[in-house]
Amino acid sequence: AQTVTQSQPEMSVQEAETVTLSCTYDTSESDYYLFWYKQPPSRQMILVIRQEAYKQQNATENRFSVNFQKAAKSFSLKISDSQLGDAAMYFCAYRSAPWGGATNKLIFGTGTLLAVQP
Amino acid sequence: NAGVTQTPKFRILKIGQSMTLQCTQDMNHNYMYWYRQDPGMGLKLIYYSVGAGITDKGEVPNGYNVSRSTTEDFPLRLELAAPSQTSVYFCASSSTSTGTTDTQYFGPGTRLTVL
Repeated sequence: AQTVTQSQPEMSVQEAETVTLSCTYDTSESDYYLFWYKQPPSRQMILVIRQEAYKQQNATENRFSVNFQKAAKSFSLKISDSQLGDAAMYFCAYRSAPWGGATNKLIFGTGTLLAVQP
Repeated sequence: NAGVTQTPKFRILKIGQSMTLQCTQDMNHNYMYWYRQDPGMGLKLIYYSVGAGITDKGEVPNGYNVSRSTTEDFPLRLELAAPSQTSVYFCASSSTSTGTTDTQYFGPGTRLTVL
Protein backbone atom coordinates (compact mmCIF):
# COMPACT_ATOMS: atom_id res chain seq x y z
CA ALA A 1 0.00 0.00 0.00
CA GLN A 2 1.11 3.51 -0.69
CA THR A 3 1.91 5.93 2.11
CA VAL A 4 2.64 9.64 2.27
CA THR A 5 4.73 11.19 5.03
CA GLN A 6 5.05 14.84 5.96
CA SER A 7 7.63 15.09 8.72
CA GLN A 8 7.18 18.78 9.50
CA PRO A 9 4.00 19.34 11.53
CA GLU A 10 4.59 23.11 11.59
CA MET A 11 6.74 25.60 9.70
CA SER A 12 7.17 29.34 9.89
CA VAL A 13 8.43 31.84 7.32
CA GLN A 14 8.88 35.59 7.16
CA GLU A 15 6.83 37.48 4.62
CA ALA A 16 8.69 37.75 1.27
CA GLU A 17 11.04 34.89 2.19
CA THR A 18 11.19 31.38 0.73
CA VAL A 19 10.11 28.21 2.50
CA THR A 20 10.27 24.54 1.54
CA LEU A 21 7.80 21.94 2.77
CA SER A 22 8.89 18.30 2.71
CA CYS A 23 7.00 15.24 1.57
CA THR A 24 8.14 11.67 1.07
CA TYR A 25 6.09 8.75 -0.17
CA ASP A 26 6.35 5.03 -0.51
CA THR A 27 5.10 3.09 -3.50
CA SER A 28 6.03 0.18 -5.70
CA GLU A 29 4.26 1.75 -8.69
CA SER A 30 6.13 3.46 -11.49
CA ASP A 31 3.31 5.66 -12.76
CA TYR A 32 1.47 7.99 -10.41
CA TYR A 33 0.59 11.59 -9.67
CA LEU A 34 1.58 13.81 -6.77
CA PHE A 35 -0.26 16.87 -5.51
CA TRP A 36 0.05 19.67 -3.02
CA TYR A 37 -3.23 20.94 -1.58
CA LYS A 38 -3.67 24.05 0.55
CA GLN A 39 -6.28 24.16 3.31
CA PRO A 40 -6.78 27.65 4.78
CA PRO A 41 -8.84 28.24 7.93
CA SER A 42 -11.97 28.19 5.76
CA ARG A 43 -11.26 24.41 5.40
CA GLN A 44 -11.60 24.56 1.62
CA MET A 45 -9.15 22.20 -0.08
CA ILE A 46 -7.39 24.10 -2.87
CA LEU A 47 -5.10 22.48 -5.40
CA VAL A 48 -1.73 24.22 -5.44
CA ILE A 49 0.31 22.13 -7.86
CA ARG A 50 0.49 18.66 -9.38
CA GLN A 51 3.27 16.52 -10.81
CA GLU A 52 3.06 13.50 -13.09
CA ALA A 53 5.70 10.91 -12.19
CA TYR A 54 6.62 10.27 -15.81
CA LYS A 55 7.62 13.91 -16.28
CA GLN A 56 11.19 14.73 -15.32
CA GLN A 57 10.59 18.47 -15.34
CA ASN A 58 9.52 19.91 -12.01
CA ALA A 59 6.09 21.56 -12.00
CA THR A 60 5.77 25.28 -11.30
CA GLU A 61 2.76 27.51 -10.69
CA ASN A 62 3.70 31.15 -10.21
CA ARG A 63 5.40 31.37 -6.78
CA PHE A 64 4.99 27.65 -6.13
CA SER A 65 7.38 25.01 -7.42
CA VAL A 66 8.24 21.45 -6.57
CA ASN A 67 11.43 19.45 -6.31
CA PHE A 68 10.45 15.97 -7.49
CA GLN A 69 13.07 13.30 -6.86
CA LYS A 70 11.56 10.05 -8.12
CA ALA A 71 14.38 7.75 -7.07
CA ALA A 72 14.38 9.20 -3.56
CA LYS A 73 10.54 9.28 -3.50
CA SER A 74 10.62 12.87 -2.41
CA PHE A 75 8.25 15.68 -3.43
CA SER A 76 8.94 19.00 -1.72
CA LEU A 77 7.04 22.26 -2.23
CA LYS A 78 8.88 25.56 -2.45
CA ILE A 79 6.98 28.78 -1.85
CA SER A 80 8.84 31.89 -3.00
CA ASP A 81 8.11 35.47 -1.91
CA SER A 82 5.78 34.20 0.84
CA GLN A 83 2.62 36.19 1.42
CA LEU A 84 0.31 36.41 4.42
CA GLY A 85 -2.35 34.63 2.38
CA ASP A 86 -0.11 31.59 2.08
CA ALA A 87 -0.69 30.77 5.75
CA ALA A 88 -2.55 27.47 5.77
CA MET A 89 -2.27 23.74 6.25
CA TYR A 90 -0.54 22.12 3.30
CA PHE A 91 -1.19 18.51 2.36
CA CYS A 92 0.87 16.33 0.10
CA ALA A 93 -1.16 13.68 -1.73
CA TYR A 94 -0.51 10.67 -3.95
CA ARG A 95 -2.69 9.13 -6.63
CA SER A 96 -2.08 5.98 -8.60
CA ALA A 97 -2.33 5.88 -12.35
CA PRO A 98 -3.97 4.72 -14.59
CA TRP A 99 -7.61 5.59 -14.20
CA GLY A 100 -10.37 3.75 -12.57
CA GLY A 101 -11.99 2.89 -9.26
CA ALA A 102 -10.18 3.16 -5.99
CA THR A 103 -6.91 3.72 -7.82
CA ASN A 104 -8.23 7.20 -8.47
CA LYS A 105 -8.37 7.99 -4.74
CA LEU A 106 -5.99 10.44 -3.14
CA ILE A 107 -3.74 9.29 -0.31
CA PHE A 108 -2.92 12.20 1.96
CA GLY A 109 -0.10 12.99 4.35
CA THR A 110 -0.86 14.44 7.77
CA GLY A 111 -0.16 18.00 6.72
CA THR A 112 2.21 20.86 7.52
CA LEU A 113 0.84 23.99 9.15
CA LEU A 114 2.55 27.02 7.63
CA ALA A 115 2.62 30.32 9.49
CA VAL A 116 3.69 33.49 7.69
CA GLN A 117 5.16 36.21 9.89
CA PRO A 118 4.74 39.86 8.82
CA ASN B 1 -20.15 27.51 -11.91
CA ALA B 2 -20.62 26.88 -8.20
CA GLY B 3 -18.26 23.88 -8.33
CA VAL B 4 -18.85 21.41 -5.49
CA THR B 5 -21.36 22.45 -2.84
CA GLN B 6 -22.07 20.73 0.46
CA THR B 7 -24.81 21.14 3.01
CA PRO B 8 -24.99 21.59 5.92
CA LYS B 9 -21.78 23.38 6.96
CA PHE B 10 -22.12 22.31 10.59
CA ARG B 11 -24.21 19.73 12.39
CA ILE B 12 -24.41 18.28 15.88
CA LEU B 13 -25.96 14.84 16.25
CA LYS B 14 -26.81 12.73 19.25
CA ILE B 15 -25.57 9.15 19.41
CA GLY B 16 -27.87 6.89 17.43
CA GLN B 17 -29.35 9.61 15.23
CA SER B 18 -29.16 9.50 11.45
CA MET B 19 -28.53 12.18 8.87
CA THR B 20 -27.66 12.75 5.24
CA LEU B 21 -24.84 14.99 4.07
CA GLN B 22 -25.63 16.51 0.71
CA CYS B 23 -23.13 17.02 -2.10
CA THR B 24 -23.79 18.51 -5.52
CA GLN B 25 -21.45 19.38 -8.38
CA ASP B 26 -22.26 21.35 -11.52
CA MET B 27 -19.15 20.49 -13.54
CA ASN B 28 -20.61 17.34 -15.13
CA HIS B 29 -17.90 15.27 -13.49
CA ASN B 30 -18.34 11.51 -13.59
CA TYR B 31 -16.27 10.71 -10.50
CA MET B 32 -17.37 11.77 -7.04
CA TYR B 33 -15.85 11.01 -3.62
CA TRP B 34 -16.50 11.34 0.08
CA TYR B 35 -13.57 11.85 2.44
CA ARG B 36 -13.37 12.38 6.16
CA GLN B 37 -10.70 14.40 7.93
CA ASP B 38 -10.04 13.69 11.58
CA PRO B 39 -8.22 16.28 13.74
CA GLY B 40 -4.56 16.61 12.81
CA MET B 41 -4.84 14.08 10.01
CA GLY B 42 -5.11 13.96 6.26
CA LEU B 43 -8.25 12.95 4.42
CA LYS B 44 -9.37 9.34 4.14
CA LEU B 45 -11.70 7.99 1.46
CA ILE B 46 -15.09 6.73 2.65
CA TYR B 47 -16.92 5.98 -0.62
CA TYR B 48 -16.59 6.90 -4.24
CA SER B 49 -18.66 6.74 -7.41
CA VAL B 50 -17.53 6.41 -11.03
CA GLY B 51 -20.91 7.45 -12.43
CA ALA B 52 -24.64 7.48 -11.83
CA GLY B 53 -25.76 4.17 -10.35
CA ILE B 54 -22.23 2.97 -9.52
CA THR B 55 -20.67 3.28 -6.09
CA ASP B 56 -17.94 1.47 -4.18
CA LYS B 57 -16.25 1.44 -0.78
CA GLY B 58 -13.08 3.32 0.08
CA GLU B 59 -10.79 2.89 3.08
CA VAL B 60 -13.25 3.67 5.90
CA PRO B 61 -16.83 2.83 4.76
CA ASN B 62 -18.23 1.34 7.97
CA GLY B 63 -21.22 3.25 9.34
CA TYR B 64 -21.93 5.05 6.05
CA ASN B 65 -23.98 4.54 2.92
CA VAL B 66 -24.10 6.38 -0.38
CA SER B 67 -26.21 6.53 -3.51
CA ARG B 68 -25.70 8.14 -6.92
CA SER B 69 -28.97 8.51 -8.76
CA THR B 70 -27.80 11.48 -10.85
CA THR B 71 -24.47 12.74 -12.16
CA GLU B 72 -24.74 15.86 -10.01
CA ASP B 73 -25.64 14.48 -6.57
CA PHE B 74 -23.78 12.14 -4.24
CA PRO B 75 -25.35 12.11 -0.75
CA LEU B 76 -23.66 10.43 2.22
CA ARG B 77 -25.90 8.76 4.77
CA LEU B 78 -24.91 8.20 8.39
CA GLU B 79 -26.99 5.60 10.19
CA LEU B 80 -26.81 5.28 13.98
CA ALA B 81 -24.27 8.04 14.52
CA ALA B 82 -21.37 7.28 16.86
CA PRO B 83 -18.79 9.59 18.51
CA SER B 84 -16.13 8.04 16.25
CA GLN B 85 -17.86 9.70 13.30
CA THR B 86 -17.08 13.16 14.64
CA SER B 87 -15.04 14.61 11.80
CA VAL B 88 -15.01 17.03 8.90
CA TYR B 89 -16.48 15.53 5.76
CA PHE B 90 -15.39 16.57 2.28
CA CYS B 91 -17.03 15.79 -1.00
CA ALA B 92 -14.96 15.96 -4.18
CA SER B 93 -15.41 15.39 -7.88
CA SER B 94 -13.22 14.82 -10.91
CA SER B 95 -13.57 14.07 -14.58
CA THR B 96 -12.02 11.32 -16.63
CA SER B 97 -13.03 12.78 -19.95
CA THR B 98 -10.41 13.24 -22.65
CA GLY B 99 -8.59 16.53 -22.30
CA THR B 100 -9.26 16.98 -18.60
CA THR B 101 -6.63 16.93 -15.91
CA ASP B 102 -8.42 14.48 -13.55
CA THR B 103 -7.81 16.88 -10.69
CA GLN B 104 -10.16 16.47 -7.77
CA TYR B 105 -12.16 19.54 -6.79
CA PHE B 106 -13.34 19.73 -3.21
CA GLY B 107 -16.40 21.17 -1.52
CA PRO B 108 -16.11 23.41 1.56
CA GLY B 109 -16.68 20.56 4.01
CA THR B 110 -19.23 19.69 6.69
CA ARG B 111 -18.16 19.71 10.33
CA LEU B 112 -20.06 16.97 12.16
CA THR B 113 -20.02 16.45 15.92
CA VAL B 114 -21.63 13.41 17.52
CA LEU B 115 -22.33 13.73 21.25
